[in-house]
Amino acid sequence: DGGITQSPKYLFRKEGQNVTLSCEQNLNHDAMYWYRQDPGQGLRLIYYSQIVNDFQKGDIAEGYSVSREKKESFPLTVTSAQKNPTAFYLCASSIGAGRINQPQHFGDGTRLSIL
Amino acid sequence: SQQGEEDPQALSIQEGENATMNCSYKTSINNLQWYRQNSGRGLVHLILIRSNEREKHSGRLRVTLDTSKKSSSLLITASRAADTASYFCATDAGGSNDYKLSFGAGTTVTVRA
Repeated sequence: DGGITQSPKYLFRKEGQNVTLSCEQNLNHDAMYWYRQDPGQGLRLIYYSQIVNDFQKGDIAEGYSVSREKKESFPLTVTSAQKNPTAFYLCASSIGAGRINQPQHFGDGTRLSIL
Repeated sequence: SQQGEEDPQALSIQEGENATMNCSYKTSINNLQWYRQNSGRGLVHLILIRSNEREKHSGRLRVTLDTSKKSSSLLITASRAADTASYFCATDAGGSNDYKLSFGAGTTVTVRA
């Protein structure tokens, strides 16, 4: 079955520590996205990538970093510079490749908490 | 930045009743999408309506779009307990080839048995 896999499901971060959230898709999608969701709120875009080896900052990129070395993978690193990292992180993908009007497909999220 | 805003924030209905929620947005769009999120899970795409469409149906879902008022509504007919979830509208940036979506804060729907 095609889909998006996020791991781990739960993650704990210590003070001063960087942590990396994994996102893998086998949908052959060009575009991938990282969102942050806080309790009772909508999704805020952290970073997105429309093609391999290229990515852009979203609305709340400070304290986060990404890479897009492979089409199927878009890992997110939450750095120690992100002072309030506790949130639910969602990865998504869409067909991209110049085709607008396409839905996004989501993984089941990683819940990050501070120790 | 959030472009879409859903109304109401929360909705509680009896099984079998209809649920209606609204979404307003600020700038022109190519399309508007509705998603469902069950507690602790990712979002699931429900329906996409393009800016030149006025109404779209999918099973028990009916979506309308009024671009002159910059608003959309999602109607769930004959609700079931399994419809209990949060519902989000999402819009793209009209006139852009960017694939980004802006999500609203969502409507939480509780269907009572």
